[in-house]
Amino acid sequence: SQQGEEDPQALSIQEGENATMNCSYKTSINNLQWYRQNSGRGLVHLILIRSNEREKHSGRLRVTLDTSKKSSSLLITASRAADTASYFCATLSSFQGAQKLVFGQGTRLTINP
Amino acid sequence: GAVVSQHPSRVICKSGTSVKIECRSLDFQATTMFWYRQFPKQSLMLMATSNEGSKATYEQGVEKDKFLINHASLTLSTLTVTSAHPEDSSFYICSASPGSGRLNSPLHFGNGTRLTVT
Repeated sequence: SQQGEEDPQALSIQEGENATMNCSYKTSINNLQWYRQNSGRGLVHLILIRSNEREKHSGRLRVTLDTSKKSSSLLITASRAADTASYFCATLSSFQGAQKLVFGQGTRLTINP
Repeated sequence: GAVVSQHPSRVICKSGTSVKIECRSLDFQATTMFWYRQFPKQSLMLMATSNEGSKATYEQGVEKDKFLINHASLTLSTLTVTSAHPEDSSFYICSASPGSGRLNSPLHFGNGTRLTVT
């Protein structure tokens, strides 16, 4: 089952603006990961934040994690047309010794030139 | 590093036939691989966890006899869609982690297979 819910489902902004996407989850997590998917392609890992971390940066990406609210956000600063893609959060769940990554519904981001 | 190759990228088959999709980790060994299914504009749904040398673990609602998974080596997992029907048409994506089955490191994804059943 998919436990991540992302908000908004779709986002369209002008190039140069910042884009913020949010993710909420329901169960305890080991870490939370953000992935990007270009249309018709596989996913590319962007950033991983551990449950004991609150914020992480990677280039133009900033991820926050609030475990008390079970939520995370992904901020892309100074957006570019090439950032147009779908973005998914994924949470790592462990159950009876087995681990699996469960993906949120995703945000479709469109950057208008 | 950490490249996952998936083949074929597209396949069209007739109803009732079977289709095999391969997923290879090119530069690392993967004791565990994951198969996902994705419908248009939707998220990835985990179908099964493929374990090298043992049976796959299927998610609830996924028919193990229809979606056969074989993980015969540390670098290859295959998904066979048997007796395909039009409703099996979808985008199938595999992934693997170099982390010996532990997912504290990112997953690496293949580029997916677009299956169309006519």
